[in-house]
Amino acid sequence: EVQLQQSGPELRRPGSSVKLSCKASGYSITDYLMHWVKHRPEHGLEWIGWIDPEDGETKYAQKFQSKATLTADTSSNTAYMQLSSLTSEDTATYFCARSTPFDYWGQGVMVTVSS
Amino acid sequence: DVVLTQTPVAQPVTLGDQASISCRSSQSLVHSNGNTYLEWYLQKPGQSPQLLIYKVSNRFSGVPDRFIGSGSGSDFTLKISRVEPEDLGVYYCFQATHDPRTFGGGTKLELK
Repeated sequence: EVQLQQSGPELRRPGSSVKLSCKASGYSITDYLMHWVKHRPEHGLEWIGWIDPEDGETKYAQKFQSKATLTADTSSNTAYMQLSSLTSEDTATYFCARSTPFDYWGQGVMVTVSS
Repeated sequence: DVVLTQTPVAQPVTLGDQASISCRSSQSLVHSNGNTYLEWYLQKPGQSPQLLIYKVSNRFSGVPDRFIGSGSGSDFTLKISRVEPEDLGVYYCFQATHDPRTFGGGTKLELK
């Protein structure tokens, strides 16, 4: 059974960074791109980017180019997203999703940025 | 970047009604390989989004046949016949033809 298990909720100060994980089971992450999506209820879903875990190639939406860094560890079958220079605008739920179409999603992780 | 415009923003319905959601793209979503990668997702409150339709009109495994995707080029529609309580939530179209990928703004299907 395919599952994407994300790490737990995070509380961070403005200006700090956070690294989120997405551990895949039931398949090899090298077989599919892994995407990340941001959700804020008042803004809907935003596509952040994808990583090809097989070779590390990445692609980002313009607005997340300097905000998010996607990586993957094939030995642990886990994808990661680091968010840097956090502001209140980064307070959101972040999902990983197997591509594509997005047939499997992680459960989401809430990131709260607050002083 | 491709902009997907969904209308309406909110769709009040009575259970058993038909609902229709439009998704218009700022450019053609026909890929150079001939496929059109337009998808539909439903996000219920507190849940991860779930895939309904891929490549315009293909229902994902387990999706009831009351969900019908149609369209071509840059104009797409999701129809839900006989709305049931479990259909309520926010619907998003998504294009995977062009990088960067993009979501529509969402349509909230809610009870009248």
